[in-house]
Amino acid sequence: GEDVEQSLFLSVREGDSSVINCTYTDSSSTYLYWYKQEPGAGLQLLTYIFSNMDMKQDQRLTVLLNKKDKHLSLRIADTQTGDSAIYFCAERVEDTGRRALTFGSGTRLQVQP
Amino acid sequence: DTEVTQTPKHLVMGMTNKKSLKCEQHMGHRAMYWYKQKAKKPPELMFVYSYEKLSINESVPSRFSPECPNSSLLNLHLHALQPEDSALYLCASSQKGGQGVNEQYFGPGTRLTVT
Repeated sequence: GEDVEQSLFLSVREGDSSVINCTYTDSSSTYLYWYKQEPGAGLQLLTYIFSNMDMKQDQRLTVLLNKKDKHLSLRIADTQTGDSAIYFCAERVEDTGRRALTFGSGTRLQVQP
Repeated sequence: DTEVTQTPKHLVMGMTNKKSLKCEQHMGHRAMYWYKQKAKKPPELMFVYSYEKLSINESVPSRFSPECPNSSLLNLHLHALQPEDSALYLCASSQKGGQGVNEQYFGPGTRLTVT
């Protein structure tokens, strides 16, 4: 199966850390991505992780991958009001030849001032 | 420049109209994609073009007709749409359709309303 699941909503206070979680079912996933979508806009690629990595850090963003549990998370340090958006995780499975992304349902992050 | 542009930004059309959505990128990418996104849902893949050839059609109804005139342009021709086709249509591109990280860059989308 290729279902990718996320919790629907997360609310945090400005300055706190946010952790957005994602679970996927296809163990053949090669790359996993995090995208951000602000209201009425397209998707912005935030970061990605290769399936043979456990962690990747990029400024305020930390991605953790637990391949055994098929669990992916995105941690945003020092969350700002500008981080309010919907966050999608996505997986790509190379060996199917699809080369396309399967998106999770999206998590709406609300940052309270 | 990591920009993908889409026109128009908004489109309202009747069920008997014919219209086209346009997408352009100048990053030298050789793979381009159309996605459909309904409100509060994730994007769903419609079509993939790789080196200007259609490589994936996700069982999309024939009232949607994609076209890739050259490596920078991607069109989506619309004809006899239904109100349930109202959605945000997103275009994306990636360096190539092959192996590797293959980051997809998305345009801002065209908000389509079918009346």
